[in-house]
Amino acid sequence: EAQVTQNPRYLITVTGKKLTVTCSQNMNHEYMSWYRQDPGLGLRQIYYSMNVEVTDKGDVPEGYKVSRKEKRNFPLILESPSPNQTSLYFCASSLSTLQETQYFGPGTRLLVL
Amino acid sequence: ELKVEQNPLFLSMQEGKNYTIYCNYSTTSDRLYWYRQDPGKSLESLFVLLSNGAVKQEGRLMASLDTKARLSTLHITAAVHDLSATYFCAVGTGANSKLTFGKGITLSVRP
Repeated sequence: EAQVTQNPRYLITVTGKKLTVTCSQNMNHEYMSWYRQDPGLGLRQIYYSMNVEVTDKGDVPEGYKVSRKEKRNFPLILESPSPNQTSLYFCASSLSTLQETQYFGPGTRLLVL
Repeated sequence: ELKVEQNPLFLSMQEGKNYTIYCNYSTTSDRLYWYRQDPGKSLESLFVLLSNGAVKQEGRLMASLDTKARLSTLHITAAVHDLSATYFCAVGTGANSKLTFGKGITLSVRP
């Protein structure tokens, strides 16, 4: 089944403790992206990647890192999480640079205490 | 800075009636996307509009894009309860397709 998977789905952590949210797709998509969703703010793009080893900042990249070492995986790294990073995170992928349908993962709900 | 505005933010619709919701944006783009999100769920792609005058239809929903007016509309025909959800539009910019979303419009269909 074609899908985008994220792990973990739920995470409670404390300020400053490094964490990684994984994202994987099995559709051989070139384009992958991370978003955060906050009430009243809609979705905001954090980082996106056009292909392996090619990434770029979205609208809210501060406090986040990404890497794209393999085509299928696009992990989101929070080196030192802070409470303002408490949010619902979505990973998404599409065949190429967003000229086609974008497929979203199920979401990761993160709480930083 | 690109701004994507959707209005209204909430719309209560009566079953069987027609409605139109709007997405307007502040900079030049010919790539606009519509998504649907059900409560507690992820997002589902509805329409991809890639040129001025593009029109796409799926069931009771029809989306169009006017790049000169920087406006996309989503028309709902004969609303049914299943259409209750939040609808987001998003605008693509740049060669590598940075994506900016609107805040979403929550539609509620009442009998």
